[in-house]
Amino acid sequence: DAGITQSPRHKVTETGTPVTLRCHQTENHRYMYWYRQDPGHGLRLIHYSYGVKDTDKGEVSDGYSVSRSKTEDFLLTLESATSSQTSVYFCATRGQGSDSPLHFGNGTRLTVT
Amino acid sequence: KNQVEQSPQSLIILEGKNCTLQCNYTVSPFSNLRWYKQDTGRGPVSLTIMTFSENTKSNGRYTATLDADTKQSSLHITASQLSDSASYICVVSATGGSYIPTFGRGTSLIVHP
Repeated sequence: DAGITQSPRHKVTETGTPVTLRCHQTENHRYMYWYRQDPGHGLRLIHYSYGVKDTDKGEVSDGYSVSRSKTEDFLLTLESATSSQTSVYFCATRGQGSDSPLHFGNGTRLTVT
Repeated sequence: KNQVEQSPQSLIILEGKNCTLQCNYTVSPFSNLRWYKQDTGRGPVSLTIMTFSENTKSNGRYTATLDADTKQSSLHITASQLSDSASYICVVSATGGSYIPTFGRGTSLIVHP
């Protein structure tokens, strides 16, 4: 496995508070992704990174920001959490080549009350 | 717009029975198609990859097929086991340097004893 650790695994927070989720990888993969998974929607891309300090938006990026200051770490920040951001968040990494598989962490369950 | 459609949305079968999951895609230009298995509370894990030149590939009791002409893939599970209960996600990647794969919404499979 790609050695992906997400933290925290569970978090409950209040509306309007900032939240940061962390993804740490040990495989030196270039590409990193943040997805959210909701019933009926499947996995949807929030932001992705194609290198240190190189990031771009996915299809559901509103209300989220990311940072990647080191190859191994990819942070997802909710500047001001809303109830619509209650979800399960997955980090994934991928090596070079479009035939490389995505390696996923085990998710962070975030509840915004 | 690249799209991946999966059917059925959910499926319930008895242990020992076979089943087939479907995936239709409109991703272009096509590079490869992967099937992922996602157990409850875990991140998805790759089961198999299909490239343009491959028609059939097996991984134990899982057999994937690809018809690149009709842009359809199937995942056949033989002699189902309780541990096959999971969500199965079809993911299609394009060529041309794109590193953003397109996800289907998944098929939820429940295997009853």
